[in-house]
Amino acid sequence: SQELEQSPQSLIVQEGKNLTINCTSSKTLYGLYWYKQKYGEGLIFLMMLQKGGEEKSHEKITAKLDEKKQQSSLHITASQPSHAGIYLCGAGGYGGATNKLIFGTGTLLAVQP
Amino acid sequence: DTGVSQNPRHKITKRGQNVTFRCDPISEHNRLYWYRQTLGQGPEFLTYFQNEAQLEKSRLLSDRFSAERPKGSFSTLEIQRTEQGDSAMYLCASSLARAGGRTDTQYFGPGTRLTVL
Repeated sequence: SQELEQSPQSLIVQEGKNLTINCTSSKTLYGLYWYKQKYGEGLIFLMMLQKGGEEKSHEKITAKLDEKKQQSSLHITASQPSHAGIYLCGAGGYGGATNKLIFGTGTLLAVQP
Repeated sequence: DTGVSQNPRHKITKRGQNVTFRCDPISEHNRLYWYRQTLGQGPEFLTYFQNEAQLEKSRLLSDRFSAERPKGSFSTLEIQRTEQGDSAMYLCASSLARAGGRTDTQYFGPGTRLTVL
């Protein structure tokens, strides 16, 4: 079965610092989704990557997909307190007509002012 | 607000009682998903609808769980004879999928937090 491992499990950074979160899959990635979750709330969609080598950016967040390594990375530049939360990667595209997502366990990010 | 909405946001119930949750997807989204999330874990897939048809159910969905999407719009998830192990966040997501599409983007609701005493 598909498994996703995220690293690190948790991260504390000083405001203004850069950081990277990794998501590694045990199988070939067809669609890789990044979401952000505040504690006790729903998931907010950030980006979706499909093609090997694809890179997308939104404001100060950049995500890349390395198809060969079956890995995706999420990079935040000049972190701000508003970036704090749980970052989840999800893999989809495996179930035929069903795009059920398999999620990693998440990375908890804290940003110290 | 035209996002996915879920009601109630919180539910506390006693073991053995039945509970029902509602999800209203983004209008015109043809796919609707239910996930369950426990503390410290990522969401786990429960079931999926394409319009009104329930096309897949996870093994996590025991016979005490039932989901419906009667008119292809809102959906309900019912848990009968609740157990303490059912305590979790129940998340609903919706998407607009094209024919043959395998990578539709799912937009999540705020979730319903269930506590079974």
